[in-house]
Amino acid sequence: GAVVSQHPSWVICKSGTSVKIECRSLDFQATTMFWYRQFPKQSLMLMATSNEGSKATYEQGVEKDKFLINHASLTLSTLTVTSAHPEDSSFYICSARTRDNQPQHFGDGTRLSIL
Amino acid sequence: AQTVTQSQPEMSVQEAETVTLSCTYDTSESDYYLFWYKQPPSRQMILVIRQEAYKQQNATENRFSVNFQKAAKSFSLKISDSQLGDAAMYFCAYRSPWGTDKLIFGTGTRLQVFP
Repeated sequence: GAVVSQHPSWVICKSGTSVKIECRSLDFQATTMFWYRQFPKQSLMLMATSNEGSKATYEQGVEKDKFLINHASLTLSTLTVTSAHPEDSSFYICSARTRDNQPQHFGDGTRLSIL
Repeated sequence: AQTVTQSQPEMSVQEAETVTLSCTYDTSESDYYLFWYKQPPSRQMILVIRQEAYKQQNATENRFSVNFQKAAKSFSLKISDSQLGDAAMYFCAYRSPWGTDKLIFGTGTRLQVFP
């Protein structure tokens, strides 16, 4: 149980394009989903927290207009990297939990490469 | 603000031996959660073990156990009877029970297991 699916697992695109990453909870309803960014050989940094049906809460320093997050249903959250540039290349990981104080379950991550 | 420190960038252990990974944290809260996550080369974050700060008893999960020293703000992970499949990055994480319950990760320890 508690499976989180992330798609795509790897994407390569040209600079200036927008990329959408999906995060789905397959066997549970996720009231809250989290988006993390991980640079090579570094730790995970929380970008934003999204609750179903409401606007995402972004961490300090994360550009809201660059990283659009939508959590329209209890099983799906999306992260759209708008007008992506090479510096946006990174590993993006989502996690989801059912309710307060329950552990977060992580997706497999998405490797984003901007040329 | 809470911080998590992992002072060992890399550790190695021989198969079947025991290894301990260190983690310290800083917080002014009296109640919180601590976690150890494993990130194998596949990059998916896997929850290894969880500890509630109000519990004095150290958490155990099969070959994995923790030494939780609340006064010292220390939370080390002991892996007994190490297996080749234990090779991975290990992240210590802190979570407050209040607010958005976001995870704050340490910088990670890369564990190598030698046959």
